[in-house]
Amino acid sequence: KAGVTQTPRYLIKTRGQQVTLSCSPISGHRSVSWYQQTPGQGLQFLFEYFSETQRNKGNFPGRFSGRQFSNSRSEMNVSTLELGDSALYLCASSLGGPNDEQYFGPGTRLTVT
Amino acid sequence: AQTVTQSQPEMSVQEAETVTLSCTYDTSESDYYLFWYKQPPSRQMILVIRQEAYKQQNATENRFSVNFQKAAKSFSLKISDSQLGDAAMYFCAYRRRGNNNDMRFGAGTRLTVKP
Repeated sequence: KAGVTQTPRYLIKTRGQQVTLSCSPISGHRSVSWYQQTPGQGLQFLFEYFSETQRNKGNFPGRFSGRQFSNSRSEMNVSTLELGDSALYLCASSLGGPNDEQYFGPGTRLTVT
Repeated sequence: AQTVTQSQPEMSVQEAETVTLSCTYDTSESDYYLFWYKQPPSRQMILVIRQEAYKQQNATENRFSVNFQKAAKSFSLKISDSQLGDAAMYFCAYRRRGNNNDMRFGAGTRLTVKP
């Protein structure tokens, strides 16, 4: 079975622009979660999608949004980029049940200049 | 709010020896999961071991074992017979039970293995 894939792997954007990151979960997985990893704040939960619905949300501003498609692929969008949005963005997929393990992707490294 | 604390930013161990990484957490929940994840330099996060709070028995996975002290809210990871491939960032994480994948991570411990 193929693992979680994320595209692109690296991205450079300018302040004020917007960006869309993509995550393809493991086949059969219905839950996709997104995390932001920075040296200063560590790993922080952004949101989780399950069956095309946002099931959980972290404490991030509205500039961070996401969606999930019927094939469980998920996209994360950040509008009006700020320098502080530079981070490694990780997605993780699972079957979605309370006892199911999350599998992480390799991440997308976003640099905002 | 649940918080996870890893008080050791860096640890080192000699190859073939044993090392213990510390983790404490704060929660008012009685039922939850605890995890240790490994993030090697390639960045892909890998689950090392997990513990369900309602199980008193400490989890073990080959050379990896935990010491789960629920009353003390402590969850340490012991790596026995350390190998060079164990070198990585190790993150302790908490998740409350239920249909959610909102995991709270500690700041991480960078483990170096010396040959």
